[in-house]
Amino acid sequence: GENVEQHPSTLSVQEGDSAVIKCTYSDSASNYFPWYKQELGKGPQLIIDIRSNVGEKKDQRIAVTLNKTAKHFSLHITETQPEDSAVYFCAARPGRSTLGRLYFGRGTQLTVWP
Amino acid sequence: NAGVTQTPKFQVLKTGQSMTLQCAQDMNHNSMYWYRQDPGMGLRLIYYSASEGTTDKGEVPNGYNVSRLNKREFSLRLESAAPSQTSVYFCANVPGISYNEQFFGPGTRLTVL
Repeated sequence: GENVEQHPSTLSVQEGDSAVIKCTYSDSASNYFPWYKQELGKGPQLIIDIRSNVGEKKDQRIAVTLNKTAKHFSLHITETQPEDSAVYFCAARPGRSTLGRLYFGRGTQLTVWP
Repeated sequence: NAGVTQTPKFQVLKTGQSMTLQCAQDMNHNSMYWYRQDPGMGLRLIYYSASEGTTDKGEVPNGYNVSRLNKREFSLRLESAAPSQTSVYFCANVPGISYNEQFFGPGTRLTVL
């Protein structure tokens, strides 16, 4: 099956700085790459996603880039705010996956200091 | 419109006890999933269900059983709980195979002593 690796496991930044989280995947047929944010005591929530036919996608302060050749994708958060503090998960969906099954990375704990 | 609900929110069991975690959705979605989340391990799929009456194993199915009796509910059963099953359990659903976003419930925190 698909193997998704995520780095770093923890990330601390000053408010206003940028944060970057990186993920690699193993299955070249994977075609969908979402990012989830999990706040303390809650379930994960989708914040942005990208399909394999797109190289970059942006939504206000959040952007995701995809390099299919290198099989890696990244989450970029600009002008970070304390409310961005959470655990972030990347995921990949293999092209041959049934039922939209996702394979998740191990998560990144982002802390934004005021 | 509650979305995805999970009960109970917290549970403590002794080794060998059994229990059922309940998940219900009011989103009329077809596919449902059970994940477990452990520190540093991300989200690992236990079982999933494409539709009422069908279930399939995920990455870590051992020690669990599931039941999808109707479109709305997907339950996860631990027949004989073990300390290794101490975890946070999340239920999720997807509208259908052509959709992408998975909607997660708030989770059940289970401790097995």
